[in-house]
Amino acid sequence: DAKTTQPNSMESNEEEPVHLPCNHSTISGTDYIHWYRQLPSQGPEYVIHGLTSNVNNRMASLAIAEDRKSSTLILHRATLRDAAVYYCILRDVRRGSGGGADGLTFGKGTHLIIQP
Amino acid sequence: DSGVTQTPKHLITATGQRVTLRCSPRSGDLSVYWYQQSLDQGLQFLIQYYNGEERAKGNILERFSAQQFPDLHSELNLSSLELGDSALYFCASSVAGAPSRETQYFGPGTRLLVL
Repeated sequence: DAKTTQPNSMESNEEEPVHLPCNHSTISGTDYIHWYRQLPSQGPEYVIHGLTSNVNNRMASLAIAEDRKSSTLILHRATLRDAAVYYCILRDVRRGSGGGADGLTFGKGTHLIIQP
Repeated sequence: DSGVTQTPKHLITATGQRVTLRCSPRSGDLSVYWYQQSLDQGLQFLIQYYNGEERAKGNILERFSAQQFPDLHSELNLSSLELGDSALYFCASSVAGAPSRETQYFGPGTRLLVL
């Protein structure tokens, strides 16, 4: 998998938007950008993924740069419950067709701290 | 609740022993993945099974093995345990459709402590 770079930690205030950046300068044309998060004492949880266009779901938005070398996960209104480690992961669309892909490669992620 | 269940929640054992961790995937999911999370190594992929067959291997030690049964539940066997095997072990499952759209659903984990 191509490498991603994220800040070690970020801090934000409750009820404010949070922008979590991810650099992936070696991304290939067949890589999807996935975000997972891990809340304290829990397993990782899927957040969102995209290829080229910006994506929205009930949890977050994903903004992808035009050259796809970076992306930003946007939490529109952070709550205390959003305090977690956020992982940006690239997944090659050519992997494991028909039988699922192999495992996710987690980096160190960004530790998001939410202040009340 | 992701729909993935893991037992036991906690396990304390001694060096040299063998343990078995169990995972039940979400209903309808054919793929099961095992991950290890330790303080120094972070989250690492160990092994994947798809519909009963081994699909992919990651950083799994030779002392560790896994299998997926006909009812799709999976077991991770850890033998000749060492202190360094103390970690959180997560199981995840996915439908195993197109990998680009694949979402993995993680269980709550089993915390293993080797004394």
